[in-house]
Amino acid sequence: QVQLVQSGAEVKKPGASVKVSCKPSGYSFGDNYIHWVRQAPGQGLEWMGRINPNTGDTNYAQKFQGRVTMTRDTSIRTIYMELSRLRSDDTALYYCARECGSSGWCHFDYWGQGTLVTVS
Amino acid sequence: EVVMTQSPATLSVSPGERATLSCRASQSLGTNLAWYQHHPGQAPRLLIYGASTRATGIPARFSGSGSGTEFTLTISSLQSEDLAMYYCQQYNNWPPWTFGQGTKVEI
Repeated sequence: QVQLVQSGAEVKKPGASVKVSCKPSGYSFGDNYIHWVRQAPGQGLEWMGRINPNTGDTNYAQKFQGRVTMTRDTSIRTIYMELSRLRSDDTALYYCARECGSSGWCHFDYWGQGTLVTVS
Repeated sequence: EVVMTQSPATLSVSPGERATLSCRASQSLGTNLAWYQHHPGQAPRLLIYGASTRATGIPARFSGSGSGTEFTLTISSLQSEDLAMYYCQQYNNWPPWTFGQGTKVEI
């Protein structure tokens, strides 16, 4: 079955960087884009960006341009999201999610369990 | 950027009653809209895609309708496990993929 397993919780100081991993399984790694979505305390879901696991091509939300980097390691079938220059308002649950296809015009059908990043 | 507006922010419903959640888009989406259920501390769960298609394993009491800019999620007979946040999301005009601010369904 399809699963996306994320790395564990992180506590970081303001100004530091955090790198969260997402390891999909149960399907062909390169067939589906992977997106990152976050939820700050008391807030809704916020799209951060996506990566094509095949090519490494990315799209980032304008809000995070210059601070976020999404990469992949095809040898271990893992996706990474790194956020730099952390601020207290980056404290949030970070989710990876699988796009149902690779066209963009598709919903997110599977989600990781979430990674809590605390900036303090 | 497509702005998604959900209403109401909070919906109080008794078990067994019908719940109707609304989502409005600032631009026409066709039927490129999804609904997700989100319990605190858990991963969001896909309920509906293509505005009206239930995802695998989703009970029949959940239904979606609408097209263009107006969409509705209906829970025909609310169960206690349905108490959660519900988000609509558009995937027609991207990037970015955008979500509504959510509707909290409570007793």
